[in-house]
Amino acid sequence: GQQLNQSPQSMFIQEGEDVSMNCTSSSIFNTWLWYKQEPGEGPVLLIALYKAGELTSNGRLTAQFGITRKDSFLNISASIPSDVGIYFCAGHRNAGNMLTFGGGTRLMVKP
Amino acid sequence: DAGITQSPRHKVTETGTPVTLRCHQTENHRYMYWYRQDPGHGLRLIHYSYGVKDTDKGEVSDGYSVSRSKTEDFLLTLESATSSQTSVYFCAISDNSGGPQETQYFGPGTRLLVL
Repeated sequence: GQQLNQSPQSMFIQEGEDVSMNCTSSSIFNTWLWYKQEPGEGPVLLIALYKAGELTSNGRLTAQFGITRKDSFLNISASIPSDVGIYFCAGHRNAGNMLTFGGGTRLMVKP
Repeated sequence: DAGITQSPRHKVTETGTPVTLRCHQTENHRYMYWYRQDPGHGLRLIHYSYGVKDTDKGEVSDGYSVSRSKTEDFLLTLESATSSQTSVYFCAISDNSGGPQETQYFGPGTRLLVL
């Protein structure tokens, strides 16, 4: 089952606000991935993180690989209505090929 | 976008009937995966393939079989569909060996309803 705790489960924010969500685990991961899923679509990769402490940006999105390797966070600055969707974190341990997914954060943006 | 297509995109079937879902990729990636996505469970791995004719089980493989006769195609078969297999099925691909830079790209999904 899921071993990544993702929070918050949902967020309803005003357009222009910044957003922060995170994933934590009791186990160490060597890769953290952040995906966005829109209704009726598959998850789309936003950011990939491969080193502890790594901070990576993709436009208004910034993600960090926690120093302990047990957590990661995603920030979205100046949210816009098209940011609406479900954001998933996923971790990989190098043991086999399986990703472990968080439960998702549902983001809703009010214009 | 990664070149991944899934067919059909939607299917309604009856309990006890066989169902085959197809994933096709144009990226020549070695690894392919089948996931199911259900409310409250997130994405769960069913089976994956690490090469032609090479497959292995994932977390929720019971009731499913897979085949990969060509690099570009990965088939998921429900031999006798049950209502508990109503779900959204996603295919994913990866081009590395599952090492430190594992990154998976997802297809658009197949929505399956078993009545």
